[in-house]
This record gives sequence, C-alpha cells and structure tokens, in this order.
Amino acid sequence: ETGVTQSPTHLIKTRGQQVTLRCSSQSGHNTVSWYQQALGQGPQFIFQYYREEENGRGNFPPRFSGLQFPNYSSELNVNALELDDSALYLCASSLDPTGTDTQYFGPGTRLTVL
Amino acid sequence: GQNIDQPTEMTATEGAIVQINCTYQTSGFNGLFWYQQHAGEAPTFLSYNVLDGLEEKGRFSSFLSRSKGYSYLLLKELQMKDSASYLCATGNTPLVFGKGTRLSVIA
Repeated sequence: ETGVTQSPTHLIKTRGQQVTLRCSSQSGHNTVSWYQQALGQGPQFIFQYYREEENGRGNFPPRFSGLQFPNYSSELNVNALELDDSALYLCASSLDPTGTDTQYFGPGTRLTVL
Repeated sequence: GQNIDQPTEMTATEGAIVQINCTYQTSGFNGLFWYQQHAGEAPTFLSYNVLDGLEEKGRFSSFLSRSKGYSYLLLKELQMKDSASYLCATGNTPLVFGKGTRLSVIA
C-alpha cells in the first residue's frame, strides 16, 4: 500500500510568482485535504477535495486554488505569492470527507518566498 | 467558532510518564484526534477518541471527556525518540488543530 506522497519537497520562489504543489493520495482514498503550517503553529485548513469537487474551504484568499484528478491526486496552486505564504504545505488523504475518518499526511512541501 | 488549547512546551525525563492536555470549544463534535509530528516531518496519527474514557495503545493512551471539552494524551516509559510536537485536533470537517505541544525528552 502506497502512502501519501508530495512533490516537490522544497521550493524557493519570489514574491509575485506562482507555484503548484502536488499530492498523490493513499491507495483507495478519494478525499484530499490541504493544510498550511507556519513555523510553531498547527496546520491550518486550506480546502478539501472529494471526488474531484471542492468540499469545503478555510479562511484563505482566492489566490489559493486547487484541483483533484480522476485518480484522486491533487494540486494546490498559489498565485501572486506573498512573504507570509512561506510555510510547510501538507496534504492529507482519507477514505471519505467526514471528520470522523482518519487523515493520513504526506511529508509536506516546504515553500520559501523571498 | 472553534478553539483548541494546549500547553506550548513540556519537558520530561527518559523513562518517565507525561500527560499532555488539550481543551476545546467547538460547535458540533465528531471526536478528537492526536497526532505526533517530528520537526520538519508530517503529522502521524496516534489516536482517535469519540466516546468518553481512556483508549490505550501500547505506551500511548488518550482520554476524552466530552462534557468537559477535555482530552489528554498519556505517554509512558518515555524514550528520546518521543521528542516531538503533539497536536490535538477536533474531528470535524475540516479538522481543526491546536498549535501543538513541543515535548522534549531529556536523559
């Protein structure tokens, strides 16, 4: 059974640029959630995708957008990068979108915005 | 709204027992998760409590009191590798995480 994978592991961008982060969900999981984790903080929910549709969104501006593909892999896109976007971006997959199902996290992408 | 509180840091000695507390206020409740996160790594699942009481899993146990909005994670026979951040999260959609408790295990 393959776990959750993310790419790239590290990324450095400059203000105003755009970035795409990728996530492959665990085998059999149809739900992917994305989180932003700033240093010393807990993960903050960005949005969730269930069967290729957005299924909930946290308090993030529209320049944070996403996609889920038929194989349930997912992308997080961030436009017009700001310095405060520097963080660890985590995706987590689960069997279904309910809060009772355990989410399994990928290793994360460390984004640095200069 | 939802609010989760955990101590920021704790230190304990190798071989000892430590209890990490978590209090929460949430509209709607679907259980409480505990995750372990080593520095620079992803959170890994430790436990899930939806009913009141204690759930034991090896050296780790987790307790929940829904009426008090309170949970704790109990770590026994501490090992150096247990040095990590411990995150509690309410099992709603989406998960709402606390800021985490950074545990340092010293010799």
